[in-house]
Amino acid sequence: EPEVTQTPSHQVTQMGQEVILRCVPISNHLYFYWYRQILGQKVEFLVSFYNNEISEKSEIFDDQFSVERPDGSNFTLKIRSTKLEDSAMYFCASSLQGGSSYNSPLHFGNGTRLTVT
Amino acid sequence: QQQVKQSPQSLIVQKGGIPIINCAYENTAFDYFPWYQQFPGKGPALLIAIRPDVSEKKEGRFTISFNKSAKQFSLHIMDSQPGDSATYFCAARLGAASKLTFGTGTRLQVTL
Repeated sequence: EPEVTQTPSHQVTQMGQEVILRCVPISNHLYFYWYRQILGQKVEFLVSFYNNEISEKSEIFDDQFSVERPDGSNFTLKIRSTKLEDSAMYFCASSLQGGSSYNSPLHFGNGTRLTVT
Repeated sequence: QQQVKQSPQSLIVQKGGIPIINCAYENTAFDYFPWYQQFPGKGPALLIAIRPDVSEKKEGRFTISFNKSAKQFSLHIMDSQPGDSATYFCAARLGAASKLTFGTGTRLQVTL
């Protein structure tokens, strides 16, 4: 079964540093997402991306965050200057159609655990 | 109004028991309610989902009950097994092409 893959599985960075989290969505999917989960808390939406542009973003997704689909297979999340509170598990997800539905559910990767020290 | 409230936070049942996880919402514009299952170190995986025009959806041992007037929905796991031990999240979607809003999760442990 095709799956969403994320790298690295764990990233440790110092406060103020830039990080790039990488994702390879399922190959025929058109909609891409980043969600995050602070340890022990709920999964929170960050951003959705379709047709090479952001289609929706949350209030968490401020100017420190950016997303890019640099080629036909990768989807990246960049945090320009990390803060301690950015420490979380970041999940990439993809779907064939937008919005998640019976016929086009969200498929999540296994996540990248980001630790900011 | 965009929130989805989930309870309990954690739940321990014996093998064969029927854990019930509850969620409540305020926004009547939510149009799709999935449940996700998450094992440690893994991403959430879709378990079962329901639309608000249906009162019950069953897939295998998993059943969603939906009460539109009360704005509540719940997940029942029949004949629970130790392999069902995981964190369960309810979620809701606000219209087509919109993001999912997740509940706070329920950590389920099924003991032998």
